[in-house]
Amino acid sequence: DAKTTQPPSMDCAEGRAANLPCNHSTISGNEYVYWYRQIHSQGPQYIIHGLKNNETNEMASLIITEDRKSSTLILPHATLRDTAVYYCIKGSGGSNYKLTFGKGTLLTVNP
Amino acid sequence: GAVVSQHPSWVICKSGTSVKIECRSLDFQATTMFWYRQFPKQSLMLMATSNEGSKATYEQGVEKDKFLINHASLTLSTLTVTSAHPEDSSFYICSARDEGPGKGTSGIYEQYFGPGTRLTVT
Repeated sequence: DAKTTQPPSMDCAEGRAANLPCNHSTISGNEYVYWYRQIHSQGPQYIIHGLKNNETNEMASLIITEDRKSSTLILPHATLRDTAVYYCIKGSGGSNYKLTFGKGTLLTVNP
Repeated sequence: GAVVSQHPSWVICKSGTSVKIECRSLDFQATTMFWYRQFPKQSLMLMATSNEGSKATYEQGVEKDKFLINHASLTLSTLTVTSAHPEDSSFYICSARDEGPGKGTSGIYEQYFGPGTRLTVT
């Protein structure tokens, strides 16, 4: 289940870093934090996931607090095409796991 | 990378007719696929889990006789909306879990989403 808390909306200037927070204070030891995004009228796109350590890939960085109760997704240089709803989801990721989406954060990148 | 396709991308049908939506994993095996529905300005709601070679598992409140799911191969799942009505108009999205050889070794199975199908019932 979702059980994460995200701000409903955020704005970011093009070219600046976008920092999207997520609270997952009820996360258990075997649960990962996943980030997906959905651009308008498209299917969700996987961004990144992590368990304990900070993670980075070609799309973004994920910073997880030491107590794992919250995390921040960082888009280092936001572009207009990054405007989307960003979903933070916690879950085990195993064979019985079902991704459940909350309301997410609408990130609007402004020129 | 892993690609999931859906067909059709949009469909308009008359009330009372049935509509079939296909979901294909193009370059990986997917024993498990999922069907979601999304109404305007709302989040994705999981409808059912589609299992290859067995019956689908439906989420609470989803009518299994109205939303027929068939998952006959490792790369194809279909969702048929039977006797569609205007309230069934929505954006239907499928996803597929990559459970091919060597996957899941870290305990996680990657899940990839299709582009969605816009259904309008008139």
